[in-house]
Amino acid sequence: EVQLVESGGGLVQPGRSMKLSCAASGFTFNNYDMAWVCQAPKKGLEWVATISYDGSSTYYRDSVKGRFTISRDNAKSTLYLQMDSLRSEDTATYYCARRSPFQVFAYWGQGTLVTVSS
Amino acid sequence: DTVLTQSPALAVSPGERVTISCRASESVSTLMHWYQQKPGQQPKLLIYLASHLESGVPARFSGSGSGTDFTLTIDPVEADDTATYYCQQSWNDPTFGAGTKLELK
Repeated sequence: EVQLVESGGGLVQPGRSMKLSCAASGFTFNNYDMAWVCQAPKKGLEWVATISYDGSSTYYRDSVKGRFTISRDNAKSTLYLQMDSLRSEDTATYYCARRSPFQVFAYWGQGTLVTVSS
Repeated sequence: DTVLTQSPALAVSPGERVTISCRASESVSTLMHWYQQKPGQQPKLLIYLASHLESGVPARFSGSGSGTDFTLTIDPVEADDTATYYCQQSWNDPTFGAGTKLELK
């Protein structure tokens, strides 16, 4: 069974940093591209970033370019999202997702809430 | 970015047929996918590539469309289908619609 378990969320002040993790199991992690998708409270879904199966390619939405960094450790079957210079508008639940061909998000974790507030 | 427009809410009675629409601001071919999200849960993939039913999803769900206009159909609707439904395109950087909240009368 595919499992994705996010961790690392919480309350952080504007301008500070936070690093999210996503532990994967139930599939061969290094065979799949992975992504982060966020959802602000009571709002819709927004793609944040994608990383290729081997970590060689990364893609970001414009609003997080230069501030967020997606990475992975295939030996640990873990996906990361380093978030720097956080803003109040980054407040959201962050989901880790396994990317299938054609950028379909077939599996999702339960999400971790990040609240950016002073 | 490709903007996806969905109607905000629908209310139907159990046993009825419901269609949820999604319109793209530019053609996305058939690179459109549908998700269901229940309150407090993560999204769940229902339909991929416009019309392909994800494994394990009931055959009551179906999808159609190409280009800019897409439809998710649930027939018949059951009480457990109360949720918000999102479309997502992958023609370019992924974007999602704002969601259609389906309520049962």
